[in-house]
Amino acid sequence: GAVVSQHPSRVICKSGTSVKIECRSLDFQATTMFWYRQFPKKSLMLMATSNEGSKATYEQGVEKDKFLINHASLTLSTLTVTSAHPEDSSFYICSASGTTEFGIQYFGAGTRLSVL
Amino acid sequence: AQRVTQPEKLLSVFKGAPVELKCNYSYSGSPELFWYVQYSRQRLQLLLRHISRESIKGFTADLNKGETSFHLKKPFAQEEDSAMYYCALSGGSNFGNEKLTFGTGTRLTIIP
Repeated sequence: GAVVSQHPSRVICKSGTSVKIECRSLDFQATTMFWYRQFPKKSLMLMATSNEGSKATYEQGVEKDKFLINHASLTLSTLTVTSAHPEDSSFYICSASGTTEFGIQYFGAGTRLSVL
Repeated sequence: AQRVTQPEKLLSVFKGAPVELKCNYSYSGSPELFWYVQYSRQRLQLLLRHISRESIKGFTADLNKGETSFHLKKPFAQEEDSAMYYCALSGGSNFGNEKLTFGTGTRLTIIP
């Protein structure tokens, strides 16, 4: 149980376009979802926390207009990278926590974004 | 501010030898500590959390509040233990699912 599906696993896009990444909890209700960014050989950096039905809470230094997060249901959150630029190229990972085991985050497999 | 430090980026251990992955933290309240593991080509997954006081895959970790440490230990390493290990901390609130602060990770390689 407690599976999180993240899609797409890899995306290549042109500079200036927007990219949407989906994160779904398949067998549990995710009251909270988290979005991370991971640079090569670096740790996971939390970008934002989203609670179902409310606005996401962004970490310091993360542009909310650049990284739009929607958590409209208990099983789906989306991250949209707007007007992507090469410096946005990175590995983005979502996680979800909810009603299964309190305090534990279940991770998606990640999305490799490459902006040309 | 909360911080997690894993001083070793890389650690190589012979099969059958003891393993210890170090983790130190700083947090002003009562933290909850976790170890997450990422095997090759797999997603990050929970290995263990300090409140469970369990041994998972032979690994244990004890929270030492005096030394602010949460080192991960296993008495006899196995080849399948080769992976990336992340120590993580949350605020341990009872009122919601708190965000995690991750350490930079330690890549453990078990030498056959």
